[in-house]
Amino acid sequence: NAGVTQTPKFRVLKTGQSMTLLCAQDMNHEYMYWYRQDPGMGLRLIHYSVGEGTTAKGEVPDGYNVSRLKKQNFLLGLESAAPSQTSVYFCASSELATLAGLGDTQYFGPGTRLTVL
Amino acid sequence: GDSVTQMEGPVTLSEEAFLTINCTYTATGYPSLFWYVQYPGEGLQLLLKATKADDKGSNKGFEATYRKETTSFHLEKGSVQVSDSAVYFCALSASSGAGSYQLTFGKGTKLSVIP
Repeated sequence: NAGVTQTPKFRVLKTGQSMTLLCAQDMNHEYMYWYRQDPGMGLRLIHYSVGEGTTAKGEVPDGYNVSRLKKQNFLLGLESAAPSQTSVYFCASSELATLAGLGDTQYFGPGTRLTVL
Repeated sequence: GDSVTQMEGPVTLSEEAFLTINCTYTATGYPSLFWYVQYPGEGLQLLLKATKADDKGSNKGFEATYRKETTSFHLEKGSVQVSDSAVYFCALSASSGAGSYQLTFGKGTKLSVIP
């Protein structure tokens, strides 16, 4: 099993350009998540999905869109990139909702480093 | 809302030293608590977790005990190795009613272990 994979690993964009980050998982997990990691900020949730065809907003959703057309894939789109979106993006998946009392594990991909000039 | 506060780094220790990384939390309800580790250039990996008060999570020589009375989940290791050099994140998950399917992370603590 490859676990959670992300493409691309690195990308440089100019302000206003668009791009899509792809996350794929081969664990048949229901739940998938997109986070961004910024220095001194920890990880912050952008969007998440609780199943194929569903998406929901997280803590910092503005400027991003997502789609979950297939259970194994979760796409993160930037329609018009801004320098404030320079960050490292992590995708994660889990089998059960991470609810109190269940304490299920989220499995993370290796990350995509995005620079917006 | 929910929040996690962990000690700021960086932390530099000599090999075989004792490690403590403090973590406290604020949450409504009864959260589960986690420590994740991020090695250089990699994604996050679950290190250990605890799902209820007084539970102790342990893995690879690391331990943390869920203390509800002090709302803490401090990470400890008796003898660190150079290979433990990484960034450590404390996190919680809690149900807040309307679909809180997410982890709340602390800002991370960078640990460097020197030979």
